[in-house]
Amino acid sequence: GQNIDQPTEMTATEGAIVQINCTYQTSGFNGLFWYQQHAGEAPTFLSYNVLDGLEEKGRFSSFLSRSKGYSYLLLKELQMKDSASYLCAVRVRQAGTALIFGKGTTLSVSS
Amino acid sequence: DTGVSQDPRHKITKRGQNVTFRCDPISEHNRLYWYRQTLGQGPEFLTYFQNEAQLEKSRLLSDRFSAERPKGSFSTLEIQRTEQGDSAMYLCASSLLPSGRGETQYFGPGTRLLVL
Repeated sequence: GQNIDQPTEMTATEGAIVQINCTYQTSGFNGLFWYQQHAGEAPTFLSYNVLDGLEEKGRFSSFLSRSKGYSYLLLKELQMKDSASYLCAVRVRQAGTALIFGKGTTLSVSS
Repeated sequence: DTGVSQDPRHKITKRGQNVTFRCDPISEHNRLYWYRQTLGQGPEFLTYFQNEAQLEKSRLLSDRFSAERPKGSFSTLEIQRTEQGDSAMYLCASSLLPSGRGETQYFGPGTRLLVL
C-alpha cells in the first residue's frame, strides 16, 4: 500500500523558521508536491520535487531525498497568514497521474 | 478569474436525494480531476479525465457516483441516493499535459456537501 506521514500539528512564532517533514512509503515514485490549504479553501500549489535536492521559491523551500522517502517544506520569516494546513502529496506510477495526499500538518503562527 | 471554478459552493440535501456538482477547469487544461476531502484528512482521489475520456476511477467511487466531461471542457459529478457518509468537500483540479513542472494540479474552491 501507499503511506504518507506528516505531523498533525505544529506551532511557531512570527518571524521564525519552521520545517514540516513528510515521509512516504510508496512504489513507483514520480514526484512530490506541497500544497497550502487555508480552512475552508482549496489547496494551493507551493512546490514540486522529483529529483533529490532543494527547491527554493521565495520564503518557501522544499527538499527531497528519494532514497530515504523523505521531504520537508521549510518556511522562513513566518507571517500570521502562513497559518494553514500544509499537505504533502506524492504521485506514484501505479496510481496513474492522481496524487496521494497525506493528512496535512496544521501550522499555527502566533505573534 | 482564470482559475478553476466550482458550482455550487455549498449544498445541503436530504438522504436519498440526487445531487450534481459542476467544475470548470482552467481553459487550456486537458486533464480534470475530482477529489473528496473530509475534515482532518487530505484529499482522496475519485476520478480523472483527459479531454472527454474518463481514464481512471478510484475504488472509492461507488456505483452511486458518476462523472462526465462531455466536450472536454467542464465536468459534472453526480451522486445518486446520497448517504450521510457522502458529506464532504468535493474538490476539482485541472492540469496541462505535457508540462515541464510535473503536471501540477490546480484546485478549485470546492463544493461542500452536507447530507442530512
